[in-house]
Amino acid sequence: EDKVVQSPLSLVVHEGDTVTLNCSYEVTNFRSLLWYKQEKKAPTFLFMLTSSGIEKKSGRLSSILDKKELFSILNITATQTGDSAVYLCAVEAGSNSGYALNFGKGTSLLVTP
Amino acid sequence: NAGVTQTPKFQVLKTGQSMTLQCAQDMNHEYMSWYRQDPGMGLRLIHYSVGAGITDQGEVPNGYNVSRSTTEDFPLRLLLAAPSQTSVYFCASSDRQGHEQYFGPGTRLTVT
Repeated sequence: EDKVVQSPLSLVVHEGDTVTLNCSYEVTNFRSLLWYKQEKKAPTFLFMLTSSGIEKKSGRLSSILDKKELFSILNITATQTGDSAVYLCAVEAGSNSGYALNFGKGTSLLVTP
Repeated sequence: NAGVTQTPKFQVLKTGQSMTLQCAQDMNHEYMSWYRQDPGMGLRLIHYSVGAGITDQGEVPNGYNVSRSTTEDFPLRLLLAAPSQTSVYFCASSDRQGHEQYFGPGTRLTVT
């Protein structure tokens, strides 16, 4: 059975701190790993990673994938209160008729002033 | 573009009733999917479609039916609603598998 595990499940930090969120996976026919940010509504896309060792960066957020060790990390530097959200990791993996996204349970991040 | 739209936003059903959650996208995306999100469970895939006329089951398909007669629409049907189907339902689409999925705003369903 395909599995995506995120850690920690929740995290409280102060503004300005740096955080690292983890995502490990065990899936058949890995295709890609995606990170989403979910505030009170629908998830919004952050990054898609397909190759090992190549860092994706957007402002204060960055992410990297290790396909040998089967994990990814999402880093947020100089956190702001607006970064408070649930961060979801999803892995696209093969099935009999195509590929499907398997989501982890998410990491709930709270950034306090 | 409106992106991915879902209706209704909220719905309350009695056990045993049936209903259809609507999902439409105007981006000409081939790939569409339905998820449910429950507290502490993350997003779980119910059904997905790789194109008009093609659908397949995800992780939690029982109690739900789908069809894909057009590229734009992907309705989710609950035939005999049960309290276990109380959840927030998200529809998503992407231009092809392996690409960023765009999510609709969600439907909050309560079954009493």
